[in-house]
Amino acid sequence: DTGVSQNPRHKITKRGQNVTFRCDPISEHNRLYWYRQTLGQGPEFLTYFQNEAQLEKSRLLSDRFSAERPKGSFSTLEIQRTEQGDSAMYLCASSLAGGGTQYFGPGTRLTVL
Amino acid sequence: GENVEQHPSTLSVQEGDSAVIKCTYSDSASNYFPWYKQELGKRPQLIIDIRSNVGEKKDQRIAVTLNKTAKHFSLHITETQPEDSAVYFCAVLRDSNYQLIWGAGTKLIIKP
Repeated sequence: DTGVSQNPRHKITKRGQNVTFRCDPISEHNRLYWYRQTLGQGPEFLTYFQNEAQLEKSRLLSDRFSAERPKGSFSTLEIQRTEQGDSAMYLCASSLAGGGTQYFGPGTRLTVL
Repeated sequence: GENVEQHPSTLSVQEGDSAVIKCTYSDSASNYFPWYKQELGKRPQLIIDIRSNVGEKKDQRIAVTLNKTAKHFSLHITETQPEDSAVYFCAVLRDSNYQLIWGAGTKLIIKP
């Protein structure tokens, strides 16, 4: 499968714990995006990378959230001190630079108890 | 900033009939307009997209029309089938940072 992959697919955690998600983009894509989606809503932009550089962060991304893409390939999204309001589907997408089509991974569903 | 409105929120059509979903946007500088289909619990999947240099694009039973002057674009699905049932999202690419701005989604129900 040469599409975007994400791990884990599901994560259940207790409030206050830290969680980390991984995204592997399509190999030739240098742009990588993170979105969050709650039930019945469209995806909300969180942040994106061009190669290893994080170029923009949404105001939705509080200081408990951090994302990295150290070698310009895979990316990780970490949420510290999780809250119940963090429960959502976290989607990763990748594209070629500029206005390229964004292709989505299967998402990581986070449930914070 | 860019604002995208999508209508209707729910659309129920008889199998075999056509379905039309409409989106309007606010930033006249936007140039790329994709449509995604999302089935329950699955990832959004691109079904068709259009760039501002064309007014219409068709792919089998799916077509998208764009009116840049009026700042709206529409998804047309003909000869609907049960497997077309899903939530459909329109999106607009913000040129300044290539961020997709999404509509709120349309739940399409195909009645047998």
